[in-house]
Amino acid sequence: KAGVTQTPRYLIKTRGQQVTLSCSPISGHRSVSWYQQTPGQGLQFLFEYFSETQRNKGNFPGRFSGRQFSNSRSEMNVSTLELGDSALYLCASSPGLAGGSYNEQFFGPGTRLTVL
Amino acid sequence: AQSVTQLGSHVSVSEGALVLLRCNYSSSVPPYLFWYVQYPNQGLQLLLKYTSAATLVKGINGFEAEFKKSETSFHLTKPSAHMSDAAEYFCAVSNQAGTALIFGKGTTLSVSS
Repeated sequence: KAGVTQTPRYLIKTRGQQVTLSCSPISGHRSVSWYQQTPGQGLQFLFEYFSETQRNKGNFPGRFSGRQFSNSRSEMNVSTLELGDSALYLCASSPGLAGGSYNEQFFGPGTRLTVL
Repeated sequence: AQSVTQLGSHVSVSEGALVLLRCNYSSSVPPYLFWYVQYPNQGLQLLLKYTSAATLVKGINGFEAEFKKSETSFHLTKPSAHMSDAAEYFCAVSNQAGTALIFGKGTTLSVSS
């Protein structure tokens, strides 16, 4: 079974631009979560999507947004980029089982975003 | 609110020595706890998880962790370090669904020969 794939792997943008990152989950997984990893703040939860709806949200400004498509693929968008947005953005997929069941997350390799 | 604290941002051991990485958690509800490993330029790999079953949890690559409610700890251990264990390790706590992880700051493990 193919793992979680993220595209692109590397991206360079300038301040003020916007960027879209893509995540394809493991086949059959319905939940996609996004995380930001920086040297200063570490790993921080951005948001989770399940069945095309945002189900959980971390503490990030509105410039960070996401969406999920009917095939469970997810995109993350950052508008008006700032230098501090330079980070590794990780996507994780999980089955999305209901009823309080634990869902193991499987992480992709990440997209390295550099903002100049 | 849930949180985790990893004590020691950098731990150095010799090959064959005991590995001990410390993690303390804060949670108002019974937590789900995890240890992940990250190798350079890669994503995160789950080492082991505690989901309220056995308090001593065995994971991959010879790692194990013990959930101690009285100490609010979930320390990661391995009896004998190998050079390939050199990586960054993250302790995390999550909601019951396991889909919104709160991570510690990470501990970089160095292994010398």
